[in-house]
Amino acid sequence: NAGVTQTPKFRVLKTGQSMTLLCAQDMNHEYMYWYRQDPGMGLRLIHYSVGEGTTAKGEVPDGYNVSRLKKQNFLLGLESAAPSQTSVYFCASSYFHDSYEQYFGPGTRLTVT
Amino acid sequence: KNQVEQSPQSLIILEGKNCTLQCNYTVSPFSNLRWYKQDTGRGPVSLTIMTFSENTKSNGRYTATLDADTKQSSLHITASQLSDSASYICVVSLRGGADGLTFGKGTHLIIQP
Repeated sequence: NAGVTQTPKFRVLKTGQSMTLLCAQDMNHEYMYWYRQDPGMGLRLIHYSVGEGTTAKGEVPDGYNVSRLKKQNFLLGLESAAPSQTSVYFCASSYFHDSYEQYFGPGTRLTVT
Repeated sequence: KNQVEQSPQSLIILEGKNCTLQCNYTVSPFSNLRWYKQDTGRGPVSLTIMTFSENTKSNGRYTATLDADTKQSSLHITASQLSDSASYICVVSLRGGADGLTFGKGTHLIIQP
């Protein structure tokens, strides 16, 4: 099993450009999450999904959109990138929430200039 | 406000020595506490998950303790190895919510030969 994979691994964008980050999991997990990790801060939840076709806002959702059209995929979109969105983005998945372990992907390092 | 505080921020020890990392939290209602290991450039990997009723849990050379009364946890690493060099993140889960993880900023551990 590949676990949780993320595409791409690195990306440089110019301010105002758009892009989509792809997360895929092969563990048949219901829950999927997008986090961002910034220096000196803990991981912060951007959006999450509790099942195919559902999405919900996390702690820092502004400037991002998500879609979960298939159970195994969770897409994170930036419509108009800003320098403040320079960060490392992690996708995670879990069978359920609360006491179930979250499995993280390897991360996408995004730089917006 | 739900918070997770970790100490120290960084730590350098010699290979073979033991060390203890600390985590204090104010998250309520509490569901469980997790410790993750994050190697540089990788996603976090779960070490332990402890619920309210568990006060010790081991995973190889890693032993986590939890005192739910004082809202404190520690992660003890025995006989450290060079591969233990990483960030260790304490995460506390709120009861009942899919979006209920609060992440600490992590302790950056360096093992020197």
